Order: sequence, then structure tokens, then C-alpha cells
Amino acid sequence: DAKTTQPPSMDCAEGRAANLPCNHSTISGNEYVYWYRQIHSQGPQYIIHGLKNNETNEMASLIITEDRKSSTLILPHATLRDTAVYYCIVRANRDDKIIFGKGTRLHILP
Amino acid sequence: KAGVTQTPRYLIKTRGQQVTLSCSPISGHRSVSWYQQTPGQGLQFLFEYFSETQRNKGNFPGRFSGRQFSNSRSEMNVSTLELGDSALYLCASSGDSLQETQYFGPGTRLLVL
Repeated sequence: DAKTTQPPSMDCAEGRAANLPCNHSTISGNEYVYWYRQIHSQGPQYIIHGLKNNETNEMASLIITEDRKSSTLILPHATLRDTAVYYCIVRANRDDKIIFGKGTRLHILP
Repeated sequence: KAGVTQTPRYLIKTRGQQVTLSCSPISGHRSVSWYQQTPGQGLQFLFEYFSETQRNKGNFPGRFSGRQFSNSRSEMNVSTLELGDSALYLCASSGDSLQETQYFGPGTRLLVL
């Protein structure tokens, strides 16, 4: 079973920040939070990951709460091309198999 | 660097046949994982290979098998195909260090008639 819980769908207006929440209340101390997205019928695309500090890259920002039981992926200026299913995953290391939940289907509204 | 490549991209088979799918990882990556994605079950882990050895396995029947070659390329095989095997089969590769990101290929879409 997936170790994360995400809302099934969200809407966001184009140009606004999209904030996608994820709950991972049973996360272990050595588990990282990863985010991937999947645009229709393509392979999942890696976005970002973090352990306990907030992270930012050219695609997004990841905010992890101090107790690490939840996190938020932020797409700062959403475009129509960000329409996808977003998956939040927790994983300790390369020996841990990735278990995908159902993700959040993000709709960007023009 | 070239990304993960999968061949073929699309495939149609009939029940009872077998199929072999191929995955070429990113250059330098030695770990290859396979996933099955269906509308009903979502993305499910099949197995992972590292240095030609199966390192992790999901909960799939023995009809699903795989192997990895010395150049890290991997194949998965499904024998005695069933209608329910129709799915998008995804391959992902990652490097050697303990905390490595998996990068996915475009997938092979298999239709079983």
C-alpha cells in the first residue's frame, strides 16, 4: 500500500501558484519525499525530492513540515502544460521499491 | 545524456501469446525497474534488476519475468498473455549511489486481444 495520501484532484488558474498537498504521517526518519508527475500516457517525470529541508529547483519547490508528516509541492506559475497527475512518494533509498498511490490530478484552468 | 528508451512503443498481441519488451537505461545507470500501469490498479511495481541480478520483486504471477544484460539493458517477458495484461509498461533507471532518483522511459503500450 502507498504510504502517502493525496487529494484526488485539484484546479488551479493559469499563472497562479499550484500548491499540491501530501500526507505521509508514518514516514520514517530515513525516508525521503519524492514528487513525480505524469502527463497523459507518458512516463512519470521526476520533479523534486527532499528529506527535511525545503527544496527548490527550476521546476518547483518542496515544503516539508517540521514533523515531516506532510509536504506541499509548489508550482510557482502554473501553465496549461502543468496539467498532469502528480504523485507523492516516500522512499528510503535505492533498495526501496517505489510504491505509487493514486496521485492528484491537477487541472490548470485558462 | 539520452534518456531511458523503451521498445517497442506499441504492441498488439492475442491471448495466449508471449511478449518481450526492451528497456535501455540512461548511460551509466545499472539499476532498472519495471512497472505496470492500468486504469484500475494504477502504477504497480513489477521488479528491479541491478548488475544482472533481480534485487526486488512485486506481487505479480510467474508469467512476468525479466532479465538484465551486462550492458544494463533489460528485458521483461510476459508469457501466456491474458486480456488483463493490457497496460502501459514502464521502465525506470537509476544510478548506483544509495540515494538515487529513478528516471522513467516513455513506456510500451501493450494491447491484448
